[in-house]
Amino acid sequence: AQSVAQPEDQVNVAEGNPLTVKCTYSVSGNPYLFWYVQYPNRGLQFLLKYITGDNLVKGSYGFEAEFNKSQTSFHLKKPSALVSDSALYFCAVRPSWSTGGYNKLIFGAGTRLAVHP
Amino acid sequence: ETGVTQSPTHLIKTRGQQVTLRCSSQSGHNTVSWYQQALGQGPQFIFQYYREEENGRGNFPPRFSGLQFPNYSSELNVNALELDDSALYLCASSPLDRDGYTFGSGTRLTVV
Repeated sequence: AQSVAQPEDQVNVAEGNPLTVKCTYSVSGNPYLFWYVQYPNRGLQFLLKYITGDNLVKGSYGFEAEFNKSQTSFHLKKPSALVSDSALYFCAVRPSWSTGGYNKLIFGAGTRLAVHP
Repeated sequence: ETGVTQSPTHLIKTRGQQVTLRCSSQSGHNTVSWYQQALGQGPQFIFQYYREEENGRGNFPPRFSGLQFPNYSSELNVNALELDDSALYLCASSPLDRDGYTFGSGTRLTVV
């Protein structure tokens, strides 16, 4: 079964420290990978995506993510966390067209990031 | 460039009733998808429309149905509402193929 795992319900980081939010996936083929952020009572905001090419992807607000095909992981990172980064983060996978994935996104359960002053 | 707008923002319905949620896609996007996000969970794919036809569906019963209009706006209809239908419903539009899913802010549906 196709799935996305975010093993941490919550990540706590001190402001100014680096942060990592973990994501692993189980999808056949060559999926497209995404990170979204959700603030309270809001929809999802796009952060970054990986389709092909360089394994390190840079996105919005200083975030980046590293694609590791052998570990089927796509961890979200930021060198220096801000209090304003506190939010709910979702990793998502779009199965490749060859597996009939059309435009469907499969989301993880989300990780709450808390950045403390 | 306009974003994705959804209406209403909040809605309270009684079990057994029917509800229609609306979505206006981002300009230039011809594909619209709907997701259900229950409290504390990630969004779950309901279905997708392309050129006014449903071309993909998740694990949701037939009482969840939709429409896409020529201007790429869309509706999600849910019949015979159940308490478990209480969730945030998200609309996402995209150009067909790989890029850019733009999500709306969602409609919070509460079924009592």
